[in-house]
Amino acid sequence: DTAVSQTPKYLVTQMGNDKSIKCEQNLGHDTMYWYKQDSKKFLKIMFSYNNKELIINETVPNRFSPKSPDKAHLNLHINSLELGDSAVYFCASSKSGTGGPNTGELFFGEGSRLTVL
Amino acid sequence: AQSVSQHNHHVILSEAASLELGCNYSYGGTVNLFWYVQYPGQHLQLLLKYFSGDPLVKGIKGFEAEFIKSKFSFNLRKPSVQWSDTAEYFCAVTRGGYNKLIFGAGTRLAVHP
Repeated sequence: DTAVSQTPKYLVTQMGNDKSIKCEQNLGHDTMYWYKQDSKKFLKIMFSYNNKELIINETVPNRFSPKSPDKAHLNLHINSLELGDSAVYFCASSKSGTGGPNTGELFFGEGSRLTVL
Repeated sequence: AQSVSQHNHHVILSEAASLELGCNYSYGGTVNLFWYVQYPGQHLQLLLKYFSGDPLVKGIKGFEAEFIKSKFSFNLRKPSVQWSDTAEYFCAVTRGGYNKLIFGAGTRLAVHP
């Protein structure tokens, strides 16, 4: 069973289109994230939700809108896609809190490779 | 601002060579430290982590890392690498109590048979 699953794995689309990536985790975690990995493999956090509440919102264009319908799901919708949005988007989840052996450890999905033409 | 520096961007080794990848962070408070590995075409997997206690941490696949607080460092080591260790290695840090994981730029390791 995949702990953090993302769909689709590959997405090729034209500039200006709108697309969504979905993420689901079955680990019982209460915090979920979206990270962007660029062509140089640099990973940058975009958003984080804790119990469906947005807690981290880095300087991401407002064309990117995350939505968390429940603790186990975090979707990413992107409007008016641009060439620079081409990247691999990783979803991750973790257990929040200040104690415990797994606090702060993120579990990643397999990534969704977005190519904007 | 909190940052993570990985000094080696690209490392090439022969099998059985020893490995040490450097990682330094800038945050001065309580931190949690991680090394993640990304094999070609795959997602990130946790190699090892440090939260507290013994500063020498052992992880999977024979990797270990040492937390040196005075040097703000968390270097990754393996005494003898294998071809299958070819991957991208990421050091990452969170502040104690917060789950915002900040990654270094990554080190690409290529191991030749």
